[in-house]
This record gives sequence, C-alpha cells and structure tokens, in this order.
Amino acid sequence: SYELTQPPSVSVSPGQTARITCSGDTLPKKYAYWYQQKSGLAPVLVIYEDSKRPSGIPERFSGSSSGTMATLTISGAQVEDEADYYCYSTDSSGNHRGLFGGGTKLTVL
Amino acid sequence: QVQLVQSGAEVKKPGASVKLSCKASGYTFTSYYIHWVRQAPGQGLEWMGIINPGGGSTSYAQKFQGRVTMTRDTSTSTVYMDLSSLRSEDTALYYCAKSNHLTVVPTDAYYFDSWGQGTLVTVSS
Repeated sequence: SYELTQPPSVSVSPGQTARITCSGDTLPKKYAYWYQQKSGLAPVLVIYEDSKRPSGIPERFSGSSSGTMATLTISGAQVEDEADYYCYSTDSSGNHRGLFGGGTKLTVL
Repeated sequence: QVQLVQSGAEVKKPGASVKLSCKASGYTFTSYYIHWVRQAPGQGLEWMGIINPGGGSTSYAQKFQGRVTMTRDTSTSTVYMDLSSLRSEDTALYYCAKSNHLTVVPTDAYYFDSWGQGTLVTVSS
C-alpha cells in the first residue's frame, strides 16, 4: 500500500510564510488536494488539483507539486490559519481509492 | 443547497456491528459519489471507502476490506456504511462526504465538496 507523508507540525510567526509538504510515490501521476480542519469542524478544501484555489479561499493559500512532493504554502500566515492540514490523493488502482496524509498541525504565534 | 445528514451517535460493544446512515438532499443523488471518512479522537482523517449511488459499486480501503459494506437506497437518497467486528480502535467520528466528480465520468481527480455533520461511534465494553 502507498502512503502520503506529512510533517507532524509546522510553526511560524504571524506574517511569515508557512510551507507544509506531502510526499508520496503516486504524486507524480495523481493530483494532491489540501484540506484545512479547525477543531471540532469538518474539513474545508483549500487547494485542489495541486495548485487551484476554490472560491472563497484567501489568496495567501497556494499549492504546488513537483515529483513525489506536493507543497501547501501560506504566504503571510494569519492567526486564524492555525489548524490541522491534510493532503489527499488517490492511488493508481483506478478504483477511486483515496488516502489522506497524516496531517500537519500549523501553529501561528 | 447540498445537505448530508447523518444518523445519531452509537455505542457498541467489541465484536458488534454498526450501521450508519447518510441522507443526501439538494442535488441528484445518483450523479455523485459518496465517501466515508473517519477520525479517531485526536487523530487524523482516514479514508474508508466510496460508493457510486447510481450503480451501487463500491471500493474500500485495504484496511477495511472484509469488515465494511457500503450500500445505498435510491428511493430515500440515503447511503449506509456497515462496519463489523468492532474493536476499541474503531471509536471515531465517522463522516460521509460527497465528491464533486460525476459517476458517469471516468476520473479519479475529485475533491470533497460537502460533508455530513459526523456520527460518533464509541466501542467500549
């Protein structure tokens, strides 16, 4: 089985750039998606298809992917961006099987 | 507007089974896939499986093969997830989520665009 690997935690000061990585062997062929989850709430999509931003998501959120690594970048992180972030992708079975990374706790203080 | 309304909290003993429901509204039920995702207390998100509400086909994470069954009732626009042989590690919040890709389009490029409110399943003797 395949895995998506994220760092457990990332910490930045307000206004700094936060980068959260996600590595996986299928990422060269499959899109990465990023979800933000705040305590007690359902996840919210912040980046889809590696680098696209849904409407309503602030421009400071961006995504990129190269080789086996996808990266979520929050430029000028705000205190309200403090949350857990999960990458998501699909396997190569063709059966829509998905997988979440282990999640990264972003601390902004 | 799209809504996914899940059934209420469950408390089960180890070895038992649980059947959760997820009632969809606000869109054409048979046109979009539904997934189940769970989250153990203080832990990350875990993808469990997917069902095509149109044809009923399913695909499960390897970890749950043999223990999980996803079904649907098109007359009530409801998806069900049955998990058997419960153990304490199955204590979690279970979400259903609708993905944005049409069941008639052969793609695995999709994202979750609506979530249910979650159902807490507690497994304890």
